[in-house]
Amino acid sequence: AQKVTQAQTEISVVEKEDVTLDCVYETRDTTYYLFWYKQPPSGELVFLIRRNSFDEQNEISGRYSWNFQKSTSSFNFTITASQVVDSAVYFCALSAPIYNQGGKLIFGQGTELSVKP
Amino acid sequence: DAGVTQSPTHLIKTRGQHVTLRCSPISGHKSVSWYQQVLGQGPQFIFQYYEKEERGRGNFPDRFSARQFPNYSSELNVNALLLGDSALYLCASSLVSGDGYTFGSGTRLTVV
Repeated sequence: AQKVTQAQTEISVVEKEDVTLDCVYETRDTTYYLFWYKQPPSGELVFLIRRNSFDEQNEISGRYSWNFQKSTSSFNFTITASQVVDSAVYFCALSAPIYNQGGKLIFGQGTELSVKP
Repeated sequence: DAGVTQSPTHLIKTRGQHVTLRCSPISGHKSVSWYQQVLGQGPQFIFQYYEKEERGRGNFPDRFSARQFPNYSSELNVNALLLGDSALYLCASSLVSGDGYTFGSGTRLTVV
C-alpha cells in the first residue's frame, strides 16, 4: 500500500530563516510520481513540483529546492530565506500507478508553516 | 485561460439532505478527480473520471456518486448527508489519467 508521512505538523520560523519540510513515502511500485502542493488559507492547492521516480536529480526553483532520495524514500522541500508569504500548509503527495484507480494522489497530513516577520 | 472552476464556493446543508457539487476542468483536460479534505487533514481521493468513465473510486460509502459529462465537466453527489461529510471538496483536472493535476479552489460544505 502507498503511504506518505509528513512528521512535522507545524513549523514556525522567523523571516529570512531557511526551513526544510520533510516527506517520507512508502510504495512497492517502481514507477511513481512525487508532488509538493502549497495550500494557502483560500483553500486552493497550488502545484509546486512533480518528480518522476527515475529522476533523482535535486531541483532548485528560486528560493525553493527539493531533495529526492530513493534510498531513504524521502522527498524533502527546503525554502531558503523564508518570507511571510510562504506561510501556508504544504502537502507532499504520491501518485499511484495509472492502473491503480487512475493514478490517484495519496497525500500526507500536511505541514503548516508559519513565517513571522 | 480559466483554471479549474468549482461551484458553489460555500454551502450549508442539513443532515439527511442531498448535495450536488460541480466542477469545470481546464479546457482540453479530459480527466477529473474529486477529493475530500476534512479540517486538519490531507485530501482523500473520492473518484476519478476520464472520458466520461469512472477510472477510480476511493474508500467512500455509496452515498457518494459522481459523473462526467460530454464536455468533461463533472458533478459530485452526496446523499443522506452526515455531520462528518463537512469538509472542503476539491476537484482536480488533468490532460489524461495520472498526469499532473491542477486543483480548483474547492467547495466548502458544512452539514448542520
